[in-house]
Amino acid sequence: GQQVMQIPQYQHVQEGEDFTTYCNSSTTLSNIQWYKQRPGGHPVFLIQLVKSGEVKKQKRLTFQFGEAKKNSSLHITATQTTDVGTYFCAGTFQGAQKLVFGQGTRLTINP
Amino acid sequence: ETGVTQSPTHLIKTRGQQVTLRCSSQSGHNTVSWYQQALGQGPQFIFQYYREEENGRGNFPPRFSGLQFPNYSSELNVNALELDDSALYLCASSQDVGGEQFFGPGTRLTVL
Repeated sequence: GQQVMQIPQYQHVQEGEDFTTYCNSSTTLSNIQWYKQRPGGHPVFLIQLVKSGEVKKQKRLTFQFGEAKKNSSLHITATQTTDVGTYFCAGTFQGAQKLVFGQGTRLTINP
Repeated sequence: ETGVTQSPTHLIKTRGQQVTLRCSSQSGHNTVSWYQQALGQGPQFIFQYYREEENGRGNFPPRFSGLQFPNYSSELNVNALELDDSALYLCASSQDVGGEQFFGPGTRLTVL
């Protein structure tokens, strides 16, 4: 079936360390979106990647979309306590309307 | 500009009952999607409505149904509630199909 796998499930870092979460699909994606959900909150859109090999940056966050459009990553440089939350990737498969979310990576930070 | 709102915030039902959840989309958005999020999991797509028509459905049984109204607000109806239906139900609106999703705060449903 059309699934998006995300790893790791949990990541605990010291403040100032880097963090990366990875997303993989067995099928080519039309696009991929990234969301952040704070504890007790709702998902908030971060970015959308559409093109093969695309790289986008938002301050300390770097998003990549693989050449084959089957994988993506989110890298945070020098984490801060405000980065705490669960990061989800969500992909759209070609010919389908639905957004398929990964299981999420829960980031906790030791100040 | 008003964001996505959902009602009620919390709801407790018993098995076999029916429930209706409501969502008001963000101004200017014509597409609404509903998701079920179990604790510790990612949101699971239930269905999407575009200009009052269902525009895609996830792997949920027919007892999950929905509506979209001319003002693009939406309802999610669940019949014959089961214990496993306990979850956070999220509504998200977007300007068009496949675009950035703006999520509401969700409705926490507990089925006893």
